[in-house]
Amino acid sequence: GAVVSQHPSRVICKSGTSVKIECRSLDFQATTMFWYRQFPKQSLMLMATSNEGSKATYEQGVEKDKFLINHASLTLSTLTVTSAHPEDSSFYICSARPGGATKQYFGPGTRLTVT
Amino acid sequence: GENVEQHPSTLSVQEGDSAVIKCTYSDSASNYFPWYKQELGKRPQLIIDIRSNVGEKKDQRIAVTLNKTAKHFSLHITETQPEDSAVYFCAASKSNAGNMLTFGGGTRLMVKP
Repeated sequence: GAVVSQHPSRVICKSGTSVKIECRSLDFQATTMFWYRQFPKQSLMLMATSNEGSKATYEQGVEKDKFLINHASLTLSTLTVTSAHPEDSSFYICSARPGGATKQYFGPGTRLTVT
Repeated sequence: GENVEQHPSTLSVQEGDSAVIKCTYSDSASNYFPWYKQELGKRPQLIIDIRSNVGEKKDQRIAVTLNKTAKHFSLHITETQPEDSAVYFCAASKSNAGNMLTFGGGTRLMVKP
């Protein structure tokens, strides 16, 4: 149980375009989902917390107009990287937390490369 | 906000030896401390966790200890095997802040056969 999927697993896009990443909880309802970014050989940095039916809460330094988050249902959250630039190239990982639970379950990550 | 420091950043041990990774946290209200193992290009896998009402927890070759007074917690791996080689992250969260995880910087563990 507690499986989280992410799609796509890898994406290459051109500078200036937008990319959407999906995060789904497959066998549980996630009232909260989290989006992280991980640069090579670095730790996971929380970008934003997404609650179903409400606006995401962004961490300091993360541009909300650039990283659009939509948590439309209890099983799906999306992250859209708008006007992507090479410096946005990173490993983006989501996690999902069932309502009332403490543990988070991580998706497999999306490797974004902006050329 | 919470700050989690992790040491060492790299650790090399001989197969069969023990490995210890230490973390300190800054927010005394943090009450949940998970440890994750991450292999290259893959998702973090929860290997063990501990809550603030417990001082120690063990699961086969893995154990975690927590010292709330000193605000530090440690991961102990005994009888290390080559497949234990990975990056390990500690994290801290508190239930009254939406259980947001703050991660340590990570430890690259290399187990030499």
